[in-house]
Amino acid sequence: LAKTTQPISMDSYEGQEVNITCSHNNIATNDYITWYQQFPSQGPRFIIQGYKTKVTNEVASLFIPADRKSSTLSLPRVSLSDTAVYYCLVGALLGGSARQLTFGSGTQLTVLP
Amino acid sequence: DAGVIQSPRHEVTEMGQEVTLRCKPISGHDYLFWYRQTMMRGLELLIYFNNNVPIDDSGMPEDRFSAKMPNASFSTLKIQPSEPRDSAVYFCASSSTQGVEETQYFGPGTRLLVL
Repeated sequence: LAKTTQPISMDSYEGQEVNITCSHNNIATNDYITWYQQFPSQGPRFIIQGYKTKVTNEVASLFIPADRKSSTLSLPRVSLSDTAVYYCLVGALLGGSARQLTFGSGTQLTVLP
Repeated sequence: DAGVIQSPRHEVTEMGQEVTLRCKPISGHDYLFWYRQTMMRGLELLIYFNNNVPIDDSGMPEDRFSAKMPNASFSTLKIQPSEPRDSAVYFCASSSTQGVEETQYFGPGTRLLVL
């Protein structure tokens, strides 16, 4: 079972790029990586997902090195509204209907003016 | 689609009472997950269903917890009897597997307080 480690908290200023790294040393071959964002009193919201190399969408980029033992969520030019908790999830689609899901403990990102 | 719907949004009950949390997944999704979130333990996967069938309930903390999915559009998580340590936010999520990856869509959660 993959174990994930994230920094507890990070501070940044508006307009800066923020990189949050998640360590998952014992990730398995079939595991994929997903990042979620959670605001207070809301459920986690999907940000980005990937398996290897780099993935980019309209809100973030996900960098996964060749050994896949870590992944980095990159948020370009953050604003105050990006203040939230960010979770990495290592998941695997096992045989049949089985799933293996390991959420990180979350990183509280605070964006300062 | 309205997204994953959970009810009630807030529940306050007394120790020993039965609590039932409800979830309506996104239409067309074939997986449904129940999670519990606390400050101490973070997000914990309790149980998940595929096509209304429970696949893995190893995360259910005790026999006091039970979950059902009678049809594709409805699931319940029941706690009987409830205890103060069950106080948490309970999330329901649904997904539809595509390829080798899966995206879960979470509901707004039910905040449970057991006195």
